[in-house]
Amino acid sequence: NAGVTQTPKFQVLKTGQSMTLQCAQDMNHNSMYWYRQDPGMGLRLIYYSASEGTTDKGEVPNGYNVSRLNKREFSLRLESAAPSQTSVYFCASSFQGASGNQPQHFGDGTRLSIL
Amino acid sequence: GESVGLHLPTLSVQEGDNSIINCAYSNSASDYFIWYKQESGKGPQFIIDIRSNMDKRQGQRVTVLLNKTVKHLSLQIAATQPGDSAVYFCAENVKLGAGGTSYGKLTFGQGTILTVHP
Repeated sequence: NAGVTQTPKFQVLKTGQSMTLQCAQDMNHNSMYWYRQDPGMGLRLIYYSASEGTTDKGEVPNGYNVSRLNKREFSLRLESAAPSQTSVYFCASSFQGASGNQPQHFGDGTRLSIL
Repeated sequence: GESVGLHLPTLSVQEGDNSIINCAYSNSASDYFIWYKQESGKGPQFIIDIRSNMDKRQGQRVTVLLNKTVKHLSLQIAATQPGDSAVYFCAENVKLGAGGTSYGKLTFGQGTILTVHP
């Protein structure tokens, strides 16, 4: 059972380049999330998708776009990368339903450096 | 804005000791709390969760205590092992309005580094 799979694991970009981070989950979860984690800090929510066909901004959405391609896949795009976007990016998924919140399960991250 | 915070950024214990990691939260509307463990180079790993209608929940070697009066959350690890060495995060979910949900939008604390010495 793969859980949440993120690609690529590492990437170096130049300022102004664009890139899409991929995320897929095989747990039949309806909700998916993108976070960034900077040194010495907790995770901050960039965007989330409560269900297929919907996306919403999180705490730090500026400079990013997302696409919920289908139930399994949720991608994060940097249109014009900036050094401030150097970070580790985590994708997560969970099942959110009438029974209330359920824990989110995370991938192992994409380490992105912008020069 | 309201946030989750941790009292201690580092904790060092001897193998076999019990560990207690603390977390303070400020939003009284939070209704769900999670503890995660993060090892170097890995994503956060779910440890245990607790809903606001509970005071205590136990798992395998771990116990989470919730004190809503003082807005405090703690994670207790029994018989700590070297493999428990990691960064531990608490996270809270804020319920949006009466009968609403926040679709699992979590606010994370900064993390506590737990080091277990053999």
